[in-house]
Amino acid sequence: QVQLQESGPGLVKPSGTLSLTCAVSGGSISSYDWWSWVRQSPEKGLEWIGQISRRGSTDYNPSLRSRITMSIDKSRNLLSLRLGSVTAADTAVYYCARHGGFFQDVWGQGTTVIVSS
Amino acid sequence: EIVLTQSPGTLSLSPGERATLSCRASQAVSSSYLAWYQQKPGQAPRVLIYGASSRATGIPDRFSGSGSGTDFTLTISALEPEDSAVYYCESFDKPPRYTFGQGTKLEIK
Repeated sequence: QVQLQESGPGLVKPSGTLSLTCAVSGGSISSYDWWSWVRQSPEKGLEWIGQISRRGSTDYNPSLRSRITMSIDKSRNLLSLRLGSVTAADTAVYYCARHGGFFQDVWGQGTTVIVSS
Repeated sequence: EIVLTQSPGTLSLSPGERATLSCRASQAVSSSYLAWYQQKPGQAPRVLIYGASSRATGIPDRFSGSGSGTDFTLTISALEPEDSAVYYCESFDKPPRYTFGQGTKLEIK
């Protein structure tokens, strides 16, 4: 079955850019319509960051839209997330997830990102 | 933007008891767009219910979802020790956006 694995730097400096990838295994990224990024922090709980389609269409959380870029690499079965101008408020566990419809049915294990100097 | 309010914040029950978790939306949500997740410490959320009342693959039938409009409920009919977790509801609305509730922590005594 499809498995997801997030990876990236665990520590990012304030005002820097957070860059994460999500490796999809057990199936082709092109076989599923939509993929999401979700983050979780004690302060904000679960927060949807945005979604990307297999064709590369994106929808972003309005509160983060100005700082987000999502991309999809079908040849490498990879999703990518970039979040710019980070602050301590962006410290969270970041998840990638597959859409099963209007919900996320497969999740990665998550990767912790701390924003600190 | 839809705001989801879950209650109670914490629920402490014994094995075999029935748990009723509430999710109230600030505006009407299509039943097709309401899901419930279970999250255990150190793990990612796992979908239990989608479309307000459809059980996800592999979910025991002691989990059930109901509701419509602004009021939705997750019921666990006979609690098992492994049901100890935090439960979240989630909704979808347009423009495309997903929103999560703040969670209900279920403790099994």
